[in-house]
Amino acid sequence: AQSVTQPDIHITVSEGASLELRCNYSYGATPYLFWYVQSPGQGLQLLLKYFSGDTLVQGIKGFEAEFKRSQSSFNLRKPSVHWSDAAEYFCAVAFTGGGNKLTFGTGTQLKVEL
Amino acid sequence: NAGVTQTPKFRVLKTGQSMTLLCAQDMNHEYMYWYRQDPGMGLRLIHYSVGEGTTAKGEVPDGYNVSRLKKQNFLLGLESAAPSQTSVYFCASLPGGLTAYNSPLHFGNGTRLTVT
Repeated sequence: AQSVTQPDIHITVSEGASLELRCNYSYGATPYLFWYVQSPGQGLQLLLKYFSGDTLVQGIKGFEAEFKRSQSSFNLRKPSVHWSDAAEYFCAVAFTGGGNKLTFGTGTQLKVEL
Repeated sequence: NAGVTQTPKFRVLKTGQSMTLLCAQDMNHEYMYWYRQDPGMGLRLIHYSVGEGTTAKGEVPDGYNVSRLKKQNFLLGLESAAPSQTSVYFCASLPGGLTAYNSPLHFGNGTRLTVT
């Protein structure tokens, strides 16, 4: 079965510092990969997605992510974090032939120190 | 367009009571999903539907039932609520077809359910 691992439960960074959130998936087929962000009391918003092609994808709010097939990873990055980026971030994966199901990771809670 | 609307927003149940959560979407989406969100567990798929009249089990289906009698509605039922079902429930939808994942999941704002 497909699965997604986000090894970091909580991350704290200083405003202006760079950020990398880790995501690893397991399954043998070609993945569709996503990063979603959830602010407190809100639903989830799509930051970016990868289907094929260029392995470095750009998203909204200055985020980017890189797909590395050899490492089964899709890490999210941002060069300079803003206080408003504090939220919970979820990696998600779907697979062709996977029954149209998205599987989410357990999330990484980001705290930004001023 | 309202997007994805979930009702109710909050509910408190006693153990053993039943209830139905309603999800309605006005985007003519084929795929609909019910997730539950618990601290440290992320979002876990309960049931999903790939079209009117079809449903399928997700990762954590036990204790829940669903129905998709109309394309725009996806109902989640709890027949006999248990404290372990205390959670925030999210409904989501996607357009159908081969390009389904070109569109982001459209989420409702969630239903916070407490079972005492």
